[in-house]
Amino acid sequence: EVQLVESGGGLVQPGGSLRLSCAASGFTFSSYEMNWVRQAPGKGLEWVSYISSSGSTIYYADSVKGRFTISRDNAKNSLYLQMNSLRAEDTAVYYCATVNSGSYYDYYYYYMDVWGKGTTVTVSS
Amino acid sequence: SSELTQDPAVSVALGQTVRITCQGDSLRSYYASWYQQKPGQAPVLVIYGKNNRPSGIPDRFSGSSSGNTASLTITGAQAEDEADYYCNSRDSSGNLWVFGGGTKLTVL
Repeated sequence: EVQLVESGGGLVQPGGSLRLSCAASGFTFSSYEMNWVRQAPGKGLEWVSYISSSGSTIYYADSVKGRFTISRDNAKNSLYLQMNSLRAEDTAVYYCATVNSGSYYDYYYYYMDVWGKGTTVTVSS
Repeated sequence: SSELTQDPAVSVALGQTVRITCQGDSLRSYYASWYQQKPGQAPVLVIYGKNNRPSGIPDRFSGSSSGNTASLTITGAQAEDEADYYCNSRDSSGNLWVFGGGTKLTVL
């Protein structure tokens, strides 16, 4: 069964750090690009960070750039998100998701087809 | 531009057809993907590419695109389709992903 399982969430004080993990199973993790996506309470989805299958290409949303670091260990089928200098506005459910892509004539498309159930991060004093 | 705009809420009568739209400059270069999210659950991919449905998604869900607007159409909406729907694409620079603000669909 194709599965992603996030862990590492919890309660942390403002300015603190947390490391999220995403364990992949049921597919060849090393072949897949990955995203982290978060959702603040009562709010919409927000893309956080992307990493290519080899880890050589990384992107961040402006809201987390300089504070969060995405990484992966293909030997361990795992994706990570190191979160530093946490703020109240980082409070959210954090999801990891696989990224797939394709093209049709002049159009490209990207989509996230496998999602974990999420892990909750609460930043509060 | 890195924004995708969706109507906050849409309603449809049971069994009728509803279209949910998503507007943004990046949609002139990228097809949107669409996600359904029910309360307390992770998002589920329902449409990607020109008009592709993942395995298990009913064929009442379809997608289309024209200019800077992508649309998700549900033909014959069912009670279980009541959910939040989000569109997503890369932004025009290709370095970011962006979600629309989401559309809450109510099936009456």
